[in-house]
Amino acid sequence: EVQLLESGGGLVQPGGSLRLSCAASGFTFTSYAMTWVRQAPGKGLEWVSTISGPGGSTYYADSVKGRFTISRDNLKNTLYLQMNSLRAEDTAVYYCAKRGVSSGSTLPSFDYWGQGTLVTVSS
Amino acid sequence: EIVLTQSPATLSLSPGERATLSCRASQSVSSYLAWYQQKPGQAPRLLIYDASNRAIGIPARFSGSGSGTDFTLTISSLEPEDFAVYYCQQRSNWPITFGQGTRLEIK
Repeated sequence: EVQLLESGGGLVQPGGSLRLSCAASGFTFTSYAMTWVRQAPGKGLEWVSTISGPGGSTYYADSVKGRFTISRDNLKNTLYLQMNSLRAEDTAVYYCAKRGVSSGSTLPSFDYWGQGTLVTVSS
Repeated sequence: EIVLTQSPATLSLSPGERATLSCRASQSVSSYLAWYQQKPGQAPRLLIYDASNRAIGIPARFSGSGSGTDFTLTISSLEPEDFAVYYCQQRSNWPITFGQGTRLEIK
C-alpha cells in the first residue's frame, strides 16, 4: 500500500525558514518523480515543485523559485522541501504527491497524495 | 503558462442526476489532462488521467473526454459521496497548472 506522510509544518515568522519532509513507502521510491503541491486556506491547488526520480532534475513555480529547494534521499525514501524567506502568501497546506503511471509527456499527474502539513507564516 | 478555466464554478444537482463539468485550456494540452476530487479536510484524489483513463479504484460512473483545449468530466448518476470539489490539471508544459475548481453541491 502506497503511503505518503508529511511532517515539518508549523507557525513561522515572515522571513523565516522551515523544512518539510515526506516519508514514502509501498512503492519503489527512486523510480518516481515526486512533487509538492500547496493549497492556501479556502483556495485551490497550486503546484510548487517537482523532482525527478534520481533527483537530478528539479522544477519550481515562479512564486517560490530562489526561495524553496526540493530534494530527496532515495536511501531514506524521503522527499524534502526547504523553504526560506517565507512570506504570508506561503501560508497553505503542503501536500507531497507521487507521479502517476502514464506515458507521453514527462510531466506528472499525481496518483497518490499525503494528508498534508499546514504551514502558517505570521508574526 | 497554460491557464485552465473550469465551469461552472458551482453546480447544484440531486443524487441520481448526471453531472457535466468543463475544463478549458488557454492552449492545447493534447490529452495530458487529469481530474481530481477533493472533499473537505482531505487530500485530492486522482479520478481521471490523460483525459479519459480512469485511475485505479475509480467507479465507472466517472468518465473523461476531450483533447486539445476542451475537456469534460462526466458523472453519469450522482451518488451522495460525489458531492465535492473537482479540479483539472495539465501536464503538457511547465509550470504544471490546475483549474480553479468546480464545487458540486447537493440541490
